[in-house]
Amino acid sequence: EAQVTQNPRYLITVTGKKLTVTCSQNMNHEYMSWYRQDPGLGLRQIYYSMNVEVTDKGDVPEGYKVSRKEKRNFPLILESPSPNQTSLYFCASSLQVPRTGSLEQYFGPGTRLTVT
Amino acid sequence: GQNIDQPTEMTATEGAIVQINCTYQTSGFNGLFWYQQHAGEAPTFLSYNVLDGLEEKGRFSSFLSRSKGYSYLLLKELQMKDSASYLCAVRSGGSYIPTFGRGTSLIVHP
Repeated sequence: EAQVTQNPRYLITVTGKKLTVTCSQNMNHEYMSWYRQDPGLGLRQIYYSMNVEVTDKGDVPEGYKVSRKEKRNFPLILESPSPNQTSLYFCASSLQVPRTGSLEQYFGPGTRLTVT
Repeated sequence: GQNIDQPTEMTATEGAIVQINCTYQTSGFNGLFWYQQHAGEAPTFLSYNVLDGLEEKGRFSSFLSRSKGYSYLLLKELQMKDSASYLCAVRSGGSYIPTFGRGTSLIVHP
């Protein structure tokens, strides 16, 4: 089954304790991205990746790191989490359909992070 | 940067038709997405418009006017399960990663 998986789905942690949220896709998509979603602010891009070893900052990258060592995985790293990073996080992967030029984007199920 | 505007909230009656508007300002427009998102769940893809005009998919249709920086999502024969947030997202500058508006919360009542 084609899917994007994220782990963990729920996490409660304390300020300053490093954490990693994993994201994996089995569709061989080149493009992957991380978003955070907060009430009243919508989905905001954190980082994105156009291919292996190619990553770039989105709109709200401060406090986050990513890596893309393999095509299928795109982990999000919080080196020193703070309470303002409490949010719902979504990973997504994208593919451009060659025949139509259309773009398809699939989201993971989300990770609800609470930093106390 | 990009500026994407949608109404915050709309209400409609079961069985009716509702139109959710989205306006955007961007350079190098490539395409516009609509997503549906139920509370606590991931967004699911509804449509992707690149060219001007109306595209119909069952009860949902999406319209785009590139010259006006305007799109709408039309939902017909509304059902209670259509109560959700509807997200407009714009792809521009050659990026494959869209930028999202804040979403429109649609409440369908009996």
